[in-house]
Amino acid sequence: GDSVTQTEGLVTLTEGLPVMLNCTYQSTYSPFLFWYVQHLNEAPKLLLKSFTDNKRPEHQGFHATLHKSSSSFHLQKSSAQLSDSALYYCALSTSSGQKLVFGQGTILKVYL
Amino acid sequence: NAGVIQTPRHKVTGKGQEATLWCEPISGHSAVFWYRQTIVQGLEFLTYFRNQAPIDDSGMPKERFSAQMPNQSHSTLKIQSTQPQDSAVYLCASSLVLGGRDTQYFGPGTRLLVL
Repeated sequence: GDSVTQTEGLVTLTEGLPVMLNCTYQSTYSPFLFWYVQHLNEAPKLLLKSFTDNKRPEHQGFHATLHKSSSSFHLQKSSAQLSDSALYYCALSTSSGQKLVFGQGTILKVYL
Repeated sequence: NAGVIQTPRHKVTGKGQEATLWCEPISGHSAVFWYRQTIVQGLEFLTYFRNQAPIDDSGMPKERFSAQMPNQSHSTLKIQSTQPQDSAVYLCASSLVLGGRDTQYFGPGTRLLVL
């Protein structure tokens, strides 16, 4: 079956340092990959999603590259901000079914 | 655009009681999804509808959970004989068309507490 793995449950950073949240996946099909961000007491919101035409998706300074060879879709940002503190989910869906399969989530905490 | 609307936002029930959760998808969206969020399990898929028809309920606990979509403007998730382990945030999401890369828009969730 399809699965997503996020190895870090909690990542703590000082403001201004680079961010990297890991995401690897397993899927029988060629999946679409997503990053959702959830701030405290809010709904999950799409941060970015993979494309099939080798474009690197970017949003709010975050970017991720789909590497099919390593089945990864790591989330990166060059400089963390306090407002980036949130819960981040990596997820996949396939063309055979649109339900999202989520990883366990990574809490990002950014400090001064 | 009001986004996905979920009511109630909070619900407290006693063990063995019934709970009904409501979801109003974004107007024009043809797919509606239900997920459950807990600290231990994270975000888990429950069920989804396309054009009001049930498509996949593989994540639903079969015995006490049921979902319906009687019209294009709302869906309900019903839990009979609630148990403490049903305590979670239940999230509804909708998307414009059914396709693997379509964005799902989530509602604020209903926080269910079973005492």
